[in-house]
Amino acid sequence: DADVTQTPRNRITKTGKRIMLECSQTKGHDRMYWYRQDPGLGLQLIYYSFDVKDINKGEISDGYSVSRQAQAKFSLSLESAIPNQTALYFCATSDSSTKGETQYFGPGTRLLVL
Amino acid sequence: AQSVTQLGSHVSVSEGALVLLRCNYSSSVPPYLFWYVQYPNQGLQLLLKYTSAATLVKGINGFEAEFKKSETSFHLTKPSAHMSDAAEYFCAVSERNNDMRFGAGTRLTVKP
Repeated sequence: DADVTQTPRNRITKTGKRIMLECSQTKGHDRMYWYRQDPGLGLQLIYYSFDVKDINKGEISDGYSVSRQAQAKFSLSLESAIPNQTALYFCATSDSSTKGETQYFGPGTRLLVL
Repeated sequence: AQSVTQLGSHVSVSEGALVLLRCNYSSSVPPYLFWYVQYPNQGLQLLLKYTSAATLVKGINGFEAEFKKSETSFHLTKPSAHMSDAAEYFCAVSERNNDMRFGAGTRLTVKP
């Protein structure tokens, strides 16, 4: 089984709808992240969480919110989806006790907002 | 804040030829540096990382990268390209376990 899972893998929604993307990990890592990937822009950080009670905005948090329900779960919500939020979304985890703190990525959720 | 520039959004090589993917970074402190690979319809996988030990870092699948402080570079190389190396490659920089910044990516094509 994969260490970092994301659901759903694909989602089509309409403008104005609220949607939630979910991420779960079995790696036991304390830190979790949400990124979006757009062609030619690489990955941009949306939100990150250093532990259950520590949530921080990233580079592009406007229009998004997150919830860290448990150490293993970190969900991303789009309160009112808009077409320019169409992108590939990745969840990642890391262990703060390791030097260099490699991030481990889920398989991604492809979101299309019509 | 730290940043990464990857020179060349697309690189094409012949099978068996040298692979060179360029990455330059900007950081106010000695950085951690990473190369990740993304195959189609998959997440990112770590190829290798630099954490201030040896400047020449060896990774998986025959890739290696050299940290050059004077040039602020961390270029990725592989002596002989294989068809299975076709993917998108991302360079990333982190300042002492703070948030990681990614480059825009380089898509590698390997011609038979």
